[in-house]
Amino acid sequence: GIQVEQSPPDLILQEGANSTLRCNFSDSVNNLQWFHQNPWGQLINLFYIPSGTKQNGRLSATTVATERYSLLYISSSQTTDSGVYFCAGGYSGNTPLVFGKGTRLSVIA
Amino acid sequence: ETGVTQSPTHLIKTRGQQVTLRCSSQSGHNTVSWYQQALGQGPQFIFQYYREEENGRGNFPPRFSGLQFPNYSSELNVNALELDDSALYLCASSSKTGNSYEQYFGPGTRLTVT
Repeated sequence: GIQVEQSPPDLILQEGANSTLRCNFSDSVNNLQWFHQNPWGQLINLFYIPSGTKQNGRLSATTVATERYSLLYISSSQTTDSGVYFCAGGYSGNTPLVFGKGTRLSVIA
Repeated sequence: ETGVTQSPTHLIKTRGQQVTLRCSSQSGHNTVSWYQQALGQGPQFIFQYYREEENGRGNFPPRFSGLQFPNYSSELNVNALELDDSALYLCASSSKTGNSYEQYFGPGTRLTVT
């Protein structure tokens, strides 16, 4: 099955700094999502991005499907960005998502 | 908010007991997937239901079972609870929209087994 590796596992940033989170997949995926998990456990959808680049405010993501990796960029980080960021992928369509172990981000004022 | 709801929010059970968790999918979604998230880990796939039929299962024992109803809401049942079943249980709903099968998660049920 698919293996998902996320890096770095932990990240501490000063407010206003930029960061890049990476997700590597062991196999090609046609379904790829990025999530932010808040302290109460809710998984918040950030991007559905099996390929290409998307932007949403201070966040953007790029997936290079042929090389089996995806990047999440956070610019001008804020304390509210703190939490755990997960990427997850599936082979296709309605197949289940396989999650990485997450990147724990702490943004300090 | 995703439109996916789960109940109860928290639950405490004793080893050996049985538990039922519930999930209401987002309007228009016909697929529900259940995940277990242990502390400090990413969610792990339990099983998926599509139009009331099981449509895939992860590496979980048969004492984990489920149902999907005609309105696409779903239940997760766990029999003979073990201490290791303590986790956050997440359900996600999805449906094909164009080429997307984006999954949307509920707030989760936190189960503690003592």
